[in-house]
Amino acid sequence: DTEVTQTPKHLVMGMTNKKSLKCEQHMGHRAMYWYKQKAKKPPELMFVYSYEKLSINESVPSRFSPECPNSSLLNLHLHALQPEDSALYLCASSPGQGDGYTFGSGTRLTVV
Amino acid sequence: GESVGLHLPTLSVQEGDNSIINCAYSNSASDYFIWYKQESGKGPQFIIDIRSNMDKRQGQRVTVLLNKTVKHLSLQIAATQPGDSAVYFCAEIAAGNKLTFGGGTRVLVKP
Repeated sequence: DTEVTQTPKHLVMGMTNKKSLKCEQHMGHRAMYWYKQKAKKPPELMFVYSYEKLSINESVPSRFSPECPNSSLLNLHLHALQPEDSALYLCASSPGQGDGYTFGSGTRLTVV
Repeated sequence: GESVGLHLPTLSVQEGDNSIINCAYSNSASDYFIWYKQESGKGPQFIIDIRSNMDKRQGQRVTVLLNKTVKHLSLQIAATQPGDSAVYFCAEIAAGNKLTFGGGTRVLVKP
């Protein structure tokens, strides 16, 4: 299996909702990432997990809460989002330091 | 090139011609560079990479050139095909396993 699988593919949520994005990989990769991508912009790094521990948080608002339950799974918990948080959320994984990044197809999130 | 505002730089190329996409990176400590292709509704797809101890690397129909002196990266696509139409991003990795994307370039292949 050489893929990063993200669910759901599309999500519409209200500003008072709580939802979660899920990401899964079975390549044995030990680093996993969340990126946010707005239209016509490059992906922007949000969080990095290395060996199931949060190693980088790019000053992301607390309404986004990452979780890494095990080495194959990465979640992003969403609560009290704003319409400007609408974007494509991408998950990626890599074997470790510095190479072999594989991206999922993303979750298209719309906050209404 | 860098994206400005809501508009991506666009490279329009005739099918069969060669394409050259340029990227300026910012961190002189970056030691690994990757080109990604992103089609509409999909995640970035790896095309080719290069380490900072190399100047050139070739793949199938693609070549990446790295000029560390001026912090410039380019992607050359030979015999561009309609399936090459997409947005292309360069990305760099410095310390801390942090992959940072540069601005994208949209490639439109005309039949």
